Formats: sequence, C-alpha cells, structure tokens
Amino acid sequence: DAKTTQPPSMDCAEGRAANLPCNHSTISGNEYVYWYRQIHSQGPQYIIHGLKNNETNEMASLIITEDRKSSTLILPHATLRDTAVYYCTYVAVETSGSRLTFGEGTQLTVNP
Amino acid sequence: EAQVTQNPRYLITVTGKKLTVTCSQNMNHEYMSWYRQDPGLGLRQIYYSMNVEVTDKGDVPEGYKVSRKEKRNFPLILESPSPNQTSLYFCASSLSLAGFNEQFFGPGTRLTVL
Repeated sequence: DAKTTQPPSMDCAEGRAANLPCNHSTISGNEYVYWYRQIHSQGPQYIIHGLKNNETNEMASLIITEDRKSSTLILPHATLRDTAVYYCTYVAVETSGSRLTFGEGTQLTVNP
Repeated sequence: EAQVTQNPRYLITVTGKKLTVTCSQNMNHEYMSWYRQDPGLGLRQIYYSMNVEVTDKGDVPEGYKVSRKEKRNFPLILESPSPNQTSLYFCASSLSLAGFNEQFFGPGTRLTVL
C-alpha cells in the first residue's frame, strides 16, 4: 500500500497560491504520484499526476523532488471552491488503473 | 456527459436484509472498482473488475459480492449486511489497467446498517 504523509489541515487566502506537501519516501521508480481531491463527501476527483518531471495542467502544478521522496501540489490562485480534502498517493505504472489507496489527506480551507 | 452513477445515494437498512448498490459508467471503461471510505481508515478497495466476467478481490472483500455481466455495470451486493458495513461507498472506473489512468468516481452511496 502507498504510504504517504500529509499535514492534516492547511488554510489559504482566496486568490493566493496553496502549496500542499506530501512525503512518499517509499515510492519506487516505476510508480506515479497522483493527487486527487474530495469536496465534502463527493466522489474523489483526479487533479494531476507525475512520474519524474514537474507537471502542470489547467487545475494545478505538481513539483516532484529529484529523489522523488516528496512532492508539492500547487493551486496557483485558490478559490473558495478549492476547499476540499486533498489526497496524495502513488501507484505502479503497470497497474495505475487499479486500486488507489488514500490516507486521511489534507483538509484545505480557502478563506475569503 | 461522461460519468459514473450510483444508486441509491443514501440507504438505511437492517442487519441481514440483502441489498444491491448499482453502478454504471458511460465511458466504455474496462476497469471498475468498488471502494469504501471510513474515518481513520481512508479509502479501501473492496472488489475490482478488469473486464466483463472478470472480477477479483480487493483489500476488504469479506461480506460483499460483485458481478460484471455487462461492461457498463458493476453492482455491489451485500447478501447479509452487518453494522460494520456502515460506510460511504464509491464506485470508480478507468479506461484500462496500465499506463496513466485517471479513475472516475461516482457520487457515493452512504449506507447505514442498523
């Protein structure tokens, strides 16, 4: 199972960047880092993933350290709708469509 | 709209009364899963299916059954529900097993077993 460490909660002002850290020191070379979020108790929603390089999409940026033992999800201009629990996990490339395991994640609260 | 649907969204039942939670996806995905989410335990996989008529156990399969007779549907069956199956359940689908795969989750079914 993916073992990750995330802070239980973070606050961010609306319009500012939210930087959410994750430690995944046991990650293997063939495993993707994935980030999902869950708003209230809705179904988790995919945000972004990466293997080695930094990645950016319309929702967020992902910075992965060179040793791949940690990563940071960046929401560049957080809005109130970004308030959610954010989960970091990692999955082998060969089975990335298979099961995900989430821990308790980080509750991000975006304040007006 | 591409989506995963689940029904019912909320269910209160009693111990031992068989129930089925339906799951359907309209994206022609091969891979489907059922998860349960519990406070302090995170998200755990119950069963998964790699294609029609192919199912396998996840991490917590005890007390559950599934079937995959059609590609789009993957119902979760509780033959004799017990209070420890009170949980929030999610169905998910993905295009395939390997490579980059985003898992699409349904809206969830909150089950209470009295």
